[in-house]
Amino acid sequence: SQQGEEDPQALSIQEGENATMNCSYKTSINNLQWYRQNSGRGLVHLILIRSNEREKHSGRLRVTLDTSKKSSSLLITASRAADTASYFCATAGAQKLVFGQGTRLTINP
Amino acid sequence: GAGVSQSPSNKVTEKGKDVELRCDPISGHTALYWYRQSLGQGLEFLIYFQGNSAPDKSGLPSDRFSAERTGGSVSTLTIQRTQQEDSAVYLCASSLGTGVNTGELFFGEGSRLTVL
Repeated sequence: SQQGEEDPQALSIQEGENATMNCSYKTSINNLQWYRQNSGRGLVHLILIRSNEREKHSGRLRVTLDTSKKSSSLLITASRAADTASYFCATAGAQKLVFGQGTRLTINP
Repeated sequence: GAGVSQSPSNKVTEKGKDVELRCDPISGHTALYWYRQSLGQGLEFLIYFQGNSAPDKSGLPSDRFSAERTGGSVSTLTIQRTQQEDSAVYLCASSLGTGVNTGELFFGEGSRLTVL
């Protein structure tokens, strides 16, 4: 069964705006990861946040993790048309990595 | 190789036929995953190999699905007596870390299976 659930399922914003996507999960985790998928392609790793971390930055990406609420958010600042893609959170528990359903992000020029 | 390689990239088959999908992980990666992605959907976990340990097959949808990993490297996912609902993109990924050290997964470009 799926562990992570992303919200919203789809998001459409104007170029230059910030995009926020949320992920909720159900069981304890060792880390949480965010991936990006361009249409018809494989997934690319964006960022990993460990269970003892609360916030992490990478370029225009900011990830937060609240283990008490079992939730994470991915913020993309100053969005660009090239950020159009699907974004997935994945939770690493005792063994395998389990993915959510993803958020489809569209950046309008 | 430089990345995870999957073949074939596209496979069209007739209902009832068997298919084999191949994955060549990054050299030295001990963990290998197979996922299935239907059109516009998320990733459905199928099977996970970790070193020499017994694989986690908990995601395989039926006994028509099987996978093996030979010599700790190349993996083959086999679907017997294919059905139309098997149509999807099958994604393979590998990583260095396992268990509590599960880190970044490196994905192949996937094998798109269409069952007519």
